[in-house]
Amino acid sequence: ETGVTQSPTHLIKTRGQQVTLRCSSQSGHNTVSWYQQALGQGPQFIFQYYREEENGRGNFPPRFSGLQFPNYSSELNVNALELDDSALYLCASSLPRDNEQFFGPGTRLTVL
Amino acid sequence: QKEVEQNSGPLSVPEGAIASLNCTYSDRVSQSFFWYRQYSGKSPELIMSIYSNGDKEDGRFTAQLNKASQYVSLLIRDSQPSDSATYLCAVTYAGNNRKLIWGLGTSLAVNP
Repeated sequence: ETGVTQSPTHLIKTRGQQVTLRCSSQSGHNTVSWYQQALGQGPQFIFQYYREEENGRGNFPPRFSGLQFPNYSSELNVNALELDDSALYLCASSLPRDNEQFFGPGTRLTVL
Repeated sequence: QKEVEQNSGPLSVPEGAIASLNCTYSDRVSQSFFWYRQYSGKSPELIMSIYSNGDKEDGRFTAQLNKASQYVSLLIRDSQPSDSATYLCAVTYAGNNRKLIWGLGTSLAVNP
């Protein structure tokens, strides 16, 4: 069974640019959640996708957007990057009607 | 505002001792409770989930939940240096799309 995978592992961008992060969910998991974790902080919920629809959103501005595809993989897009967007971006997948979430290795984004 | 609180530590224990990690939460409609372990620079790894009052044991780990007092704890028996990590407590609330609300984490150091 393949776990949650994310790409890329690391990314460096400059302020104002746009970025797309990718996540493949664990086999059979149709729910994907995205989190942002700044250094020394707990993860912060960005949004969740279930069956290709957004299913809840945290306190992030509209320049954070996402997609889920029919194979349950997902993308996180961030426009107009700001320095404070520098963080570890985590994707987690879960089974239908199950609260346990399993995380991918994360994408470390640095905005200069 | 739903909150999850943990002592940041560091908590330092000798090898072979019991490490006790605590977490309190503010909302009485909390539904599910999780302990994740996170090594520096890595993503969170699910250790334990607990849903009802009482104790749940898995190997060297025991999770304890007391809903009346609104706390959840994690005991690590026979602590090993490889247990040195940050331990994150996370909570979901009823009707909240299984969004995880996180504490800031407790840093644990197990000294050989």
